[in-house]
Amino acid sequence: SAVISQKPSRDICQRGTSLTIQCQVDSQVTMMFWYRQQPGQSLTLIATANQGSEATYESGFVIDKFPISRPNLTFSTLTVSNMSPEDSSIYLCSVDWLAGNEQFFGPGTRLTVL
Amino acid sequence: GENVEQHPSTLSVQEGDSAVIKCTYSDSASNYFPWYKQELGKRPQLIIDIRSNVGEKKDQRIAVTLNKTAKHFSLHITETQPEDSAVYFCAASSGGGADGLTFGKGTHLIIQP
Repeated sequence: SAVISQKPSRDICQRGTSLTIQCQVDSQVTMMFWYRQQPGQSLTLIATANQGSEATYESGFVIDKFPISRPNLTFSTLTVSNMSPEDSSIYLCSVDWLAGNEQFFGPGTRLTVL
Repeated sequence: GENVEQHPSTLSVQEGDSAVIKCTYSDSASNYFPWYKQELGKRPQLIIDIRSNVGEKKDQRIAVTLNKTAKHFSLHITETQPEDSAVYFCAASSGGGADGLTFGKGTHLIIQP
């Protein structure tokens, strides 16, 4: 199976700043997704990262707050913009390289906003 | 959109006993139902999944059943072991490879020695 990595693994940021999280896969994948997991909670889908086109956002998530890039089939970034303490979460990318719904998760990025 | 309900939120069983976690979904178009295990501080790991054209699937000590009519699916773990202690999440997707997953709220499974 492919290896999924995320950078950074964790960060502590100040209110009002932005952080870009990278997700790298060691083989080409069809689909990439971004999820948020707030402390002690379940996972919530933020958006689907589409290669070569704008990301598809779920209800409650907007491009201005969570801009996403996917320049190729192995890489995607998620930016958390103008952060507030409520953005403190684990952000996870997932990949579905078989286009068959089996999603595998990266190790996550633990973000703390002060 | 899809809504996935999961019960119980916490389940404590004696080592060696069986554990059952249940989920219901709302969207009749959903056709893919994975289960993930998440240990503390780790990423969710896919442990088993089932598609809507199958009623039951087994993999060693774990099994998943699906009732499409009732829109519910369940995870069964037999002969539980201490390493089964974790949070388990069910999820649903309408499939096609282009959809993300809608997760249940999770079940904290505790295996008592």
